[in-house]
Amino acid sequence: NAGVTQTPKFRVLKTGQSMTLLCAQDMNHEYMYWYRQDPGMGLRLIHYSVGEGTTAKGEVPDGYNVSRLKKQNFLLGLESAAPSQTSVYFCASSYSRTLSSYEQYFGPGTRLTVT
Amino acid sequence: AQSVTQLGSHVSVSEGALVLLRCNYSSSVPPYLFWYVQYPNQGLQLLLKYTSAATLVKGINGFEAEFKKSETSFHLTKPSAHMSDAAEYFCAVSPALGMRFGAGTRLTVKP
Repeated sequence: NAGVTQTPKFRVLKTGQSMTLLCAQDMNHEYMYWYRQDPGMGLRLIHYSVGEGTTAKGEVPDGYNVSRLKKQNFLLGLESAAPSQTSVYFCASSYSRTLSSYEQYFGPGTRLTVT
Repeated sequence: AQSVTQLGSHVSVSEGALVLLRCNYSSSVPPYLFWYVQYPNQGLQLLLKYTSAATLVKGINGFEAEFKKSETSFHLTKPSAHMSDAAEYFCAVSPALGMRFGAGTRLTVKP
């Protein structure tokens, strides 16, 4: 049981390049999330998904797109990277939204630098 | 909107001393509150969570937190710090979807 995995672990992009971050979970969770972590700001929600084929915007969605074609995978895309997107990106997942299931499980993160 | 504020971006304690990390929340409805820990170059790991069952919540690694509605607080404590507790700690509240995190408190433990 690997939990939540993310690829790649590190990436350096030039301004204007595109890339996709992959998140996979093997816990059969319905909900998946993408966050970015910046110094002094905690984690902020970029996009989330409440099930296969559905996505929605979070707190800071601009410049990102997502897709959830399979239940276990959640992809985060940067179409045209900007230096402001230099950050550490975390994927998380959780069970369906029931009273006892708000806990989120986090992946190890992807450190992205845009030059 | 629900939010949390962590007081103190850095806390330094001596090994064996009490650890107190402060978190205040803002919510118009009974909140679900969490403490996560992040070790260097790792993801976040759940320490404990409050879901209204009991106001004193015990977590892993000897940590506990007390929900105080009158003070809108959910402070994290540990009676005796260990060197392995050095990490960054995040308080979070769970609104409709996703989580709202505090800015984090970096805990340093001195020998």
